[in-house]
Amino acid sequence: DAGVIQSPRHEVTEMGQEVTLRCKPISGHDYLFWYRQTMMRGLELLIYFNNNVPIDDSGMPEDRFSAKMPNASFSTLKIQPSEPRDSAVYFCASRLQGAAEAFFGQGTRLTVV
Amino acid sequence: LAKTTQPISMDSYEGQEVNITCSHNNIATNDYITWYQQFPSQGPRFIIQGYKTKVTNEVASLFIPADRKSSTLSLPRVSLSDTAVYYCLVVPAYSGAGSYQLTFGKGTKLSVIP
Repeated sequence: DAGVIQSPRHEVTEMGQEVTLRCKPISGHDYLFWYRQTMMRGLELLIYFNNNVPIDDSGMPEDRFSAKMPNASFSTLKIQPSEPRDSAVYFCASRLQGAAEAFFGQGTRLTVV
Repeated sequence: LAKTTQPISMDSYEGQEVNITCSHNNIATNDYITWYQQFPSQGPRFIIQGYKTKVTNEVASLFIPADRKSSTLSLPRVSLSDTAVYYCLVVPAYSGAGSYQLTFGKGTKLSVIP
């Protein structure tokens, strides 16, 4: 397996534009997590899914953020409209139920100007 | 979820053994202690997990005392490539109904000096 795949790796967009980040988890994994990392706030859990169902979205900062998981092999995190303070690295991770280890993707570095 | 406390940063010379201690006073009976490593510009990577006593793998050892209120990650003979941020997490055993949290703190930034 190629691991957790995120796209794009880098995204630069203007304030007010819609941004969509994509994640393909490892095949067969039951859990999918979205994180945001900044120098100031560290690694924050935004939302996680179990079997494609959102379980906890209390970390989603505002209504501008939304996440979907239409099937077991794909998830999106959308920001609309984007703001400069959304600039961060966004990570996706997946985990097999009962396993100790979660696997992270390489991240998407988002810059909103 | 049990809160964890670990040093913000540590420095070590190459070849030395490094021990990073994490406090988790409110750990629950079914919680596991898990450590991740993060290199710059990469996602975190699982290192080791334990419940009690000692666990060892090819990367590190994890020491957990009987009261489980703390744990120590031990890296033998560090090299420059071990420079990274190390996160201690308390992870609940699967409790059903899809509930599973994986929450990271600030971590410990380890700098290995030549």
